[in-house]
Amino acid sequence: EVQLLESGGGSIQPGGSLRLSCAASGFTFSSFAMSWVRQAPGKGLEWVSSMSASSTNIFYAESVKGRFTISRDNSKKTLYLQVNSLRAEDTAVYFCAKGWMDYGFDYWGQGTLVTVSS
Amino acid sequence: QSVLTQPPSVSAAPGQKVTISCSGGSSNIGKNYVSWYQQLPGTAPKLLIYENSKRPSGIPDRFSGSRSGTSATLGITGLQTGDEAHYYCGTWDSSLSAGVFGGGTKLTVL
Repeated sequence: EVQLLESGGGSIQPGGSLRLSCAASGFTFSSFAMSWVRQAPGKGLEWVSSMSASSTNIFYAESVKGRFTISRDNSKKTLYLQVNSLRAEDTAVYFCAKGWMDYGFDYWGQGTLVTVSS
Repeated sequence: QSVLTQPPSVSAAPGQKVTISCSGGSSNIGKNYVSWYQQLPGTAPKLLIYENSKRPSGIPDRFSGSRSGTSATLGITGLQTGDEAHYYCGTWDSSLSAGVFGGGTKLTVL
């Protein structure tokens, strides 16, 4: 059974940093692209970042470029999102998802909430 | 506003059929595959349709997808109260080199 379990969210002041993690199981993690998608309270889905299986290809939404960094450790079957210089508008539930946007995200985690507030 | 345009809401009676549209452009829907997601209240999104019209294992054939030009459509037949949810379309935008979602459509089964 495929499982994605996010962690690392919390309440943080503007300008702060967090590292989100997504522990994967039930599939060959090293063979698949992985992505992050976020959802602000009461709002729709927003694609954040994607990384290929080998970490060769990485893409970011314009809204997070230069502040967020996606990475993965295939030996630990874990995806990461380092979020820096946080702003109030980054407040959202952050989901990790298996796959690329154009082929569909076939599995999602339950999400981790990041709240940016002074 | 979203790169992909969806109606904010649609509604229909149990047993009826509904369609949800997703309008984009030549750099996104016109060039790349479209996927559709269902999000029940308080839960993570669930993949309903991928590569425009394919259904993952376990998704009933009441759900269908199609693409024509720069628009895509999700169809749901035999509506059930359990289908009440938000539905999102998504694809890759080759000009932006970014993933894009529609703003979402809330389905109400009256």
